Amino acid sequence: AQSVTQPDIHITVSEGASLELRCNYSYGATPYLFWYVQSPGQGLQLLLKYFSGDTLVQGIKGFEAEFKRSQSSFNLRKPSVHWSDAAEYFCAVGPYGGNTPLVFGKGTRLSVIA
Amino acid sequence: DADVTQTPRNRITKTGKRIMLECSQTKGHDRMYWYRQDPGLGLRLIYYSFDVKDINKGEISDGYSVSRQAQAKFSLSLESAIPNQTALYFCATSAGQGAPYTFGSGTRLTVV
Repeated sequence: AQSVTQPDIHITVSEGASLELRCNYSYGATPYLFWYVQSPGQGLQLLLKYFSGDTLVQGIKGFEAEFKRSQSSFNLRKPSVHWSDAAEYFCAVGPYGGNTPLVFGKGTRLSVIA
Repeated sequence: DADVTQTPRNRITKTGKRIMLECSQTKGHDRMYWYRQDPGLGLRLIYYSFDVKDINKGEISDGYSVSRQAQAKFSLSLESAIPNQTALYFCATSAGQGAPYTFGSGTRLTVV
């Protein structure tokens, strides 16, 4: 069965600093990979997704993620964080050839300080 | 109007009461899902449905039931609510395998 690990429960960064949120997955075949963001009091919004092809994926709000098959990772990055990026971020994995729902990580909460 | 609408947004209920959370979507998608969110535990799948005649249990289905009344509607019921069912509940829909999910805004349920 697939699984997702987000090693960092909570990260604090300064506004304007770079950001990297880690995601490791366990799955025997090629996965679909997603990053979602949940702002306080809101539902989850899709940031970006990876299916195949270019391993560097661009998303909304200036985010990008890189798929590294050898490391089973799909880390989310942003070069310069804004205060409005404070939220909870979830990585999710689904089977490329299967027919089962997405499995979500436990999330990483991002705090942004001035 | 939102693509996925969940009602109610907030609900406080007493232990032992039956409660239904409703979800409707306007995306025209066949697949719908119910997840539960608890602090530190992320999102856990309760039930999912790939079409109107299809219902499947997720990893934490005990104490819950669902009804898929139509393509657009997927309701979650707690037959006899207990305090550890206090959580934020999300409904989602997707077009097919590998398609991204569209989430509702959530229902915050408190069982006292």
